[in-house]
Amino acid sequence: SQQGEEDPQALSIQEGENATMNCSYKTSINNLQWYRQNSGRGLVHLILIRSNEREKHSGRLRVTLDTSKKSSSLLITASRAADTASYFCATDVGGGTSYGKLTFGQGTILTVHP
Amino acid sequence: DGGITQSPKYLFRKEGQNVTLSCEQNLNHDAMYWYRQDPGQGLRLIYYSQIVNDFQKGDIAEGYSVSREKKESFPLTVTSAQKNPTAFYLCASSVGTTFGEAFFGQGTRLTVV
Repeated sequence: SQQGEEDPQALSIQEGENATMNCSYKTSINNLQWYRQNSGRGLVHLILIRSNEREKHSGRLRVTLDTSKKSSSLLITASRAADTASYFCATDVGGGTSYGKLTFGQGTILTVHP
Repeated sequence: DGGITQSPKYLFRKEGQNVTLSCEQNLNHDAMYWYRQDPGQGLRLIYYSQIVNDFQKGDIAEGYSVSREKKESFPLTVTSAQKNPTAFYLCASSVGTTFGEAFFGQGTRLTVV
């Protein structure tokens, strides 16, 4: 099964609204990353948060990490139509037999209407 | 320009054939990965490699094989043993054990005809 699970599976909002996506994972991690994928393309890295960090900002993006709940959230503020894409969280479990694995969740499909 | 290149962009395979997908990076990254993505789904890890001449199975390695003879290259062979190979294949690389961001290629779409 997937290490990371995103919620919701799909999100539809109007331009200017905020979009929040959540990610839950199962095992201890070294870091958690968020990626974006436009339809039929490769993934683009958005932000990385380490296990000892609780919050990180990058432009209109805000990521939080709660290691006690094994969950993370990605907030996109003041969304634009160009933010329409799929968003994935990825975890590096970094230990034991899973060392070196970078595992992705199922993704959230975000649609921003003009 | 530095980056990661996958080829071909589209690939068609007949039943029973082996096909090889190319992945090359000039980022001097130690780690490389192969993922499979089915329509509307997330990425599933096929194989990964942390260093030249070494690689590990991911979650869905059956029916696939890889090699890592050079740091910059990590080709994936989809064998005839893979019964449902039609999918979008993504290659990625990262710095390595510090696990910074992964850089992705543009993908290869494989279709069985």
